[in-house]
Amino acid sequence: AQTVTQSQPEMSVQEAETVTLSCTYDTSESNYYLFWYKQPPSRQMILVIRQEAYKQQNATENRFSVNFQKAAKSFSLKISDSQLGDTAMYFCASYHQGGSEKLVFGKGTKLTVNP
Amino acid sequence: GAVVSQHPSWVICKSGTSVKIECRSLDFQATTMFWYRQFPKKSLMLMATSNEGSKATYEQGVEKDKFLINHASLTLSTLTVTSAHPEDSSFYICSARDRLAGGREQYFGPGTRLTVT
Repeated sequence: AQTVTQSQPEMSVQEAETVTLSCTYDTSESNYYLFWYKQPPSRQMILVIRQEAYKQQNATENRFSVNFQKAAKSFSLKISDSQLGDTAMYFCASYHQGGSEKLVFGKGTKLTVNP
Repeated sequence: GAVVSQHPSWVICKSGTSVKIECRSLDFQATTMFWYRQFPKKSLMLMATSNEGSKATYEQGVEKDKFLINHASLTLSTLTVTSAHPEDSSFYICSARDRLAGGREQYFGPGTRLTVT
């Protein structure tokens, strides 16, 4: 069974600084994808970044980047130059193609960006 | 692109009544849609997976007779909470998978807040 673990229930960072959110996952599959979703106070789920397991290169989207350590089954999210609008819940999720076709979510990390 | 809408965004109903929530993919075809329930400050809990034209697959512990799901077309899925009770009050989120995009990503609706009085 797939599991996703986020060990940091809450984190805070000063505006313009960098913060890293942790995520570990467990799977026996080889063909899978990993995601970070953001849920701001509006509660709209927004895809932040996606990583294909077969790609060695870490995904990057503007100020957001991941550190994908496949052997360690680790998938952390780094937010650079944090902005007040980054304040949100962040969920790590995994998806196995050809498997259950379901997204498996971690419990989330509440990130607060302070001015 | 890849927009999912939900209607209504919030609804208040009396205990014992039924309420229907619609989920629509606006600019893509969704062969699979998902329904989640989210409690305050918690993660999303998958309730069921619906495939167009077939019966929904419910997660363990979810009452299929209480939470009726219909996926009649490639752009519309509905969740009906039957005989609602206060404990059904929650935030319900749907998502849809874009078939043409390979189906890896799910696009989420804005959610529906249900309050049962």
